[in-house]
Amino acid sequence: AQTVTQSQPEMSVQEAETVTLSCTYDTSESDYYLFWYKQPPSRQMILVIRQEAYKQQNATENRFSVNFQKAAKSFSLKISDSQLGDAAMYFCAYISNFGNEKLTFGTGTRLTIIP
Amino acid sequence: DTEVTQTPKHLVMGMTNKKSLKCEQHMGHRAMYWYKQKAKKPPELMFVYSYEKLSINESVPSRFSPECPNSSLLNLHLHALQPEDSALYLCASSPGQGNLGRGYTFGSGTRLTVV
Repeated sequence: AQTVTQSQPEMSVQEAETVTLSCTYDTSESDYYLFWYKQPPSRQMILVIRQEAYKQQNATENRFSVNFQKAAKSFSLKISDSQLGDAAMYFCAYISNFGNEKLTFGTGTRLTIIP
Repeated sequence: DTEVTQTPKHLVMGMTNKKSLKCEQHMGHRAMYWYKQKAKKPPELMFVYSYEKLSINESVPSRFSPECPNSSLLNLHLHALQPEDSALYLCASSPGQGNLGRGYTFGSGTRLTVV
């Protein structure tokens, strides 16, 4: 079974600084997708960024970028120029392209932005 | 505005009540999901509907009964719940197999309290 691990329950960063959230996963498959979702106090899960396993190039979305290391099964999220609105719970998630459509989440990292 | 709409946003029910949670998406997605999320935990998959057919039931107790009347609607019928069923219930949709890389789109959830 696939598992997703986030080893940092909480992180904090000064406003305008850069922070990196860690995620590792375990799978025997070669074709899959990885995601970072953000869940602010409003509760809605918002897709931040996605990565296709067969693409070597790291995904980037404005201030958000990932460091995808397929061999190491590592998928970290870097947030640059942190803003107060970035404060939220961040979940790393995995889905197999040929599996049962089950999106598996890590345990989450709570990010606090210090003004 | 969210593209996946869940109603009600909050629900308090007694252990002998029958209630329903509703979810609607207008994204043309072919798969819909129910997740349960306890405080400070990641979402846990309950049910997957693919092309209006139940494809996954993650051993959910029978007091939770899903229904998919059409490709845009997903209901979760609740009966004889226990206090430990109190949680945030999230609905999500996705394009389904062949387009899983686009990720899930989540609603803002129903906060359920069982008294």
